[in-house]
Amino acid sequence: EVHLVESGGGLVQPGGSLRLSCGASGFTFSRSWMQWVRQTPGKGLEWVSRIKYDGTTTTYADSVKGRFTISRDNAKNTLYLQMNSLRVEDTAVYYCAKSDWFDSWGQGTLVTVSS
Amino acid sequence: QSALTQPASVSGSPGQSITISCTGTSSDVGGYNYVSWYQQHPGKVPKLLIHDVTVRPSGVSDRFSGSKSGNTASLTISGLQAEDEADYYCNSFTSSTTWVFGGGTKLSVL
Repeated sequence: EVHLVESGGGLVQPGGSLRLSCGASGFTFSRSWMQWVRQTPGKGLEWVSRIKYDGTTTTYADSVKGRFTISRDNAKNTLYLQMNSLRVEDTAVYYCAKSDWFDSWGQGTLVTVSS
Repeated sequence: QSALTQPASVSGSPGQSITISCTGTSSDVGGYNYVSWYQQHPGKVPKLLIHDVTVRPSGVSDRFSGSKSGNTASLTISGLQAEDEADYYCNSFTSSTTWVFGGGTKLSVL
């Protein structure tokens, strides 16, 4: 059974940084594209970033480009999202999701950007 | 990267069929057969219902079906049940090699 567990969320001031992690199990992580998606409380889903199974290709939403960096460690079955220069509008629940079908999702980790 | 356009809400009675539309452009929905649909109940994580426009993953009820015409994709739910009451989101690959979600549709089962 696929299992994705996000961690690293919390309260941070505007301009600050956070690194999210997503531990994966139950599938061959090193062969799967992975995604980050966020959801503002009570609102819709927003795609954030995507990384190829070998880490050689990454893409980002315009809203986070230049501030967020996606990466992975296939030896540790872990996906990361380094978030810098955080803004109030980055406040959301951040989910990691498996594959280009987004066929499995973690439970999410809440990031709150506030002074 | 504008969000795909979905109706804010739709409703139907038990046993009826409803259709949720998802309108994009030739740079996303119309340009690729990479449209997916997700169901999200309150407080829960999204669940994949349909991928690649029409493909239903194992375990998903055959009451859910997908289609596409031009720049608009559609999700049809037949034999509506109370448990179908949820938010539904579409998603499409784009010419920028990114993904874009729709704004979401709240389905009410009357």
